Order: sequence, then structure tokens, then C-alpha cells
Amino acid sequence: ELKVEQNPLFLSMQEGKNYTIYCNYSTTSDRLYWYRQDPGKSLESLFVLLSNGAVKQEGRLMASLDTKARLSTLHITAAVHDLSATYFCAVDIYRGSQGNLIFGKGTKLSVKP
Amino acid sequence: DAGVIQSPRHEVTEMGQEVTLRCKPISGHNSLFWYRQTMMRGLELLIYFNNNVPIDDSGMPEDRFSAKMPNASFSTLKIQPSEPRDSAVYFCASSLLPGQQETQYFGPGTRLLVL
Repeated sequence: ELKVEQNPLFLSMQEGKNYTIYCNYSTTSDRLYWYRQDPGKSLESLFVLLSNGAVKQEGRLMASLDTKARLSTLHITAAVHDLSATYFCAVDIYRGSQGNLIFGKGTKLSVKP
Repeated sequence: DAGVIQSPRHEVTEMGQEVTLRCKPISGHNSLFWYRQTMMRGLELLIYFNNNVPIDDSGMPEDRFSAKMPNASFSTLKIQPSEPRDSAVYFCASSLLPGQQETQYFGPGTRLLVL
């Protein structure tokens, strides 16, 4: 069974701290996406990772992909309150065509002062 | 660009009624996706189109659900008859053709409540 597992599912952190969200998947894929969703809002694309070893950074967030381990990480550096949101990873399973994404259940991040 | 446009944004209906959700993708995008989001099941891909042609509808829950894309700028998702368990947020997303280094851009969603 195809699985995309994120952990933790809930994360409460203090401002200024660092933490990593993990995304494990069970199928072969070299395309992985990270999205952010604020409460009651739509999904916003953060990163597109397209090959083994890909690393992308934007502000306090850095994402990486290890296709051999079937693992992606989203690292948060010196968290601030504005980063509070739910973060989803999604894996392209190439069924029918590229673009068929399976999403993880999301990691709800709460950053407290 | 206005982004992906969905309508209505909110829909409340009674069980047994027909519901039609609408989506206008970003101009120039060739792929369109319909997702459903619930607390219990998370985000699920229902169906997606490439160049207006349905590619994979294996995520459509049952025959009560149907989707069409009559042209490159419009798609509908229809539920007939609706049931309370269909209550969810339905997102439409679009992207350039697969194979491009492109993410999917999501619309604001339609919040559906079936009583």
C-alpha cells in the first residue's frame, strides 16, 4: 500500500528554536513537493524537489530530498510565529501521468512566543 | 494573474440535491486537478485532466461523482445525489503539463456542507 507519512503530526515550538519535519514515502519517486496551509485557507506551494540530493531554502525553511531513503525533510530555523500553519508533503506517484500526487496527513505547527 | 478561481466558495445543500462545483484554471496551464479535503481522510486526489482529457479518475469515490472539462478554461465537479458524507472542502488545482518543473497551484476551495 502506498503511504506518505509525516511526523510529527503536531508540533509546538518556541520562537527561536530549530526543528525538522520528516516525510517518508513507500514508493519510488524523485518528485516531492512541500505545501503550506493556513487555517481555513488554500494550499501554498513552498518547494519543489526534483532529484536525489535536492536542497532548497526560502527564509527560515529548508527542504531536502533523499530518494534512496525515500525521505524528505523540512527544517525550520529560528522559528517565528508567522510560520504557524499546517505543512504537507506530497509525492508524485507517476500513475497515469506525472502530477498524480499523494499527500501526507500534514504537520500542524504552532510557534509560541 | 488571478490564480485558480473556484465557485461557489461556500455551498450548503440538503441530502439528495445536485451540487455543481466550478473551476477556472490559471491561463496557459494544461493540467487540472480536483481534490477533496476532510479531517478524517486528509487531502485526496479525485480526478485530473491533461489537455482537457481525464487521465486518472480512480480517486472518484463513486458514481455519484462526475467531472468534466469542456475546454481549457473551465471544469466542473458534480455530485448527484449529494449525501452528508460528501461534506468537505473541494479544491481545484492547475499546473503546466507534467514533465515541466512546475508545482500545482491551488484555488481557494469550495466548502460544501450537505445536511
